[in-house]
Parts: sequence; C-alpha cells; structure tokens
Amino acid sequence: DQQVKQNSPSLSVQEGRISILNCDYTNSMFDYFLWYKKYPAEGPTFLISISSIKDKNEDGRFTVFLNKSAKHLSLHIVPSQPGDSAVYFCAATILTQDDKIIFGKGTRLHILP
Amino acid sequence: ETGVTQTPRHLVMGMTNKKSLKCEQHLGHNAMYWYKQSAKKPLELMFVYNFKEQTENNSVPSRFSPECPNSSHLFLHLHTLQPEDSALYLCASSLFVTSGASNEQFFGPGTRLTVL
Repeated sequence: DQQVKQNSPSLSVQEGRISILNCDYTNSMFDYFLWYKKYPAEGPTFLISISSIKDKNEDGRFTVFLNKSAKHLSLHIVPSQPGDSAVYFCAATILTQDDKIIFGKGTRLHILP
Repeated sequence: ETGVTQTPRHLVMGMTNKKSLKCEQHLGHNAMYWYKQSAKKPLELMFVYNFKEQTENNSVPSRFSPECPNSSHLFLHLHTLQPEDSALYLCASSLFVTSGASNEQFFGPGTRLTVL
C-alpha cells in the first residue's frame, strides 16, 4: 500500500509559467512533509519542507501548500525556469516516532522554452 | 571533498559475484541510510544506522549486508544477487536519526547496479 502518492508521472510547463506538483498521502499520522528534487545521475536534493502545523511554506520561487483535511500537498514553482526540469519527490515522515521517510514515486517536470 | 559521496557510480556484476558499495559523508552527521530506487517504484528505505548502530532493517534479504565502521562510512556488501536487484542504490545521511525540527537527509549520487 502506497502511503505517499504522486499520481502524475510527468508534467510539462512553459518557461515563466507556474508549475504545480501534487502529492497525496494516506497516513494521517504524518506530521512533516518534504520535497526533493533529483537531476539525472545525481541523488535527490532537499528542496523545501512543511510541518503539519502550517498550511503554507514559502522559499523564493518555491511554495508548498498543505491541506490536512484532504491529505494533499502541492509544490508551486513560479516562475518556472529551465533549470527546474528534474524529477520531484514528495516525502512524508512522523517526526515524533522515527526517521523513516516515505517517498512518492516522483513526478518528472519538463520546462518548455 | 564535501557532501555525500558514493563509489562506484556504476557496477555490473554476475549473480555469483561479491561486491561492495561504499558511501562516505563529510558533513559530520551521525545517521546514515541505504535506499533502493527501482524503475517506476518509490524510493525504498533499506537500512538505517545511528551512531554506527543499525537501528532499522526494512525486511531486506540477507544477500545485502550493511556495515558501518564509523559515523562517516557506510558499506553495502553484495553477494549472490538476483537480476531483480538491479537498481540505483542511494546513500543518505542526516545529523541525527530523530532530528526534531527537520528530517532533512542529504543524498549521495547513487550507484547504478546491474545484476546479470
């Protein structure tokens, strides 16, 4: 059973527009969520996170929104840039229990010129 | 050299071979992890080490044998693997296993393993 789901395997967005990457989770105990970015031939790189006590966290062009009632989070990138083309992994964990981070399958983002 | 490094970057081995993957972190972290990423599957946590002690074995077959001689180094010893073990093996580290405010893990580039 997949606890963290990224239902869109890929997404194409025009340069300069907004990219929205979605993630759903099933475990209501998750209280901390992370987004990682992965380029080919490299390991995932931490991008941004959000605690369950918040519904929004912003860092430059990246904003993560959390809707706890819907068990849904999204990553917004605006404006999208060519260097944003990568695979984005959504991940979740339970801070008070252990350090196991559950990852989604990832969404490949293509930024079109 | 900084960050998390992994060697080799690519490995091809037969089912009867014995090989080892190496991970080294230069971040002063105390927790290290092995992950497996297969095609079209989520990242799977394999092992967790906290201060050199294994704290988690996520039902990994015994043909994968981890070793953590110190907080900076982590090995994954491989023997009698199967073709379905072909995947990208990622090493990661974090300051502590339960780091409170954040659980940011820093990943190495991975070892692309092909088992023939």
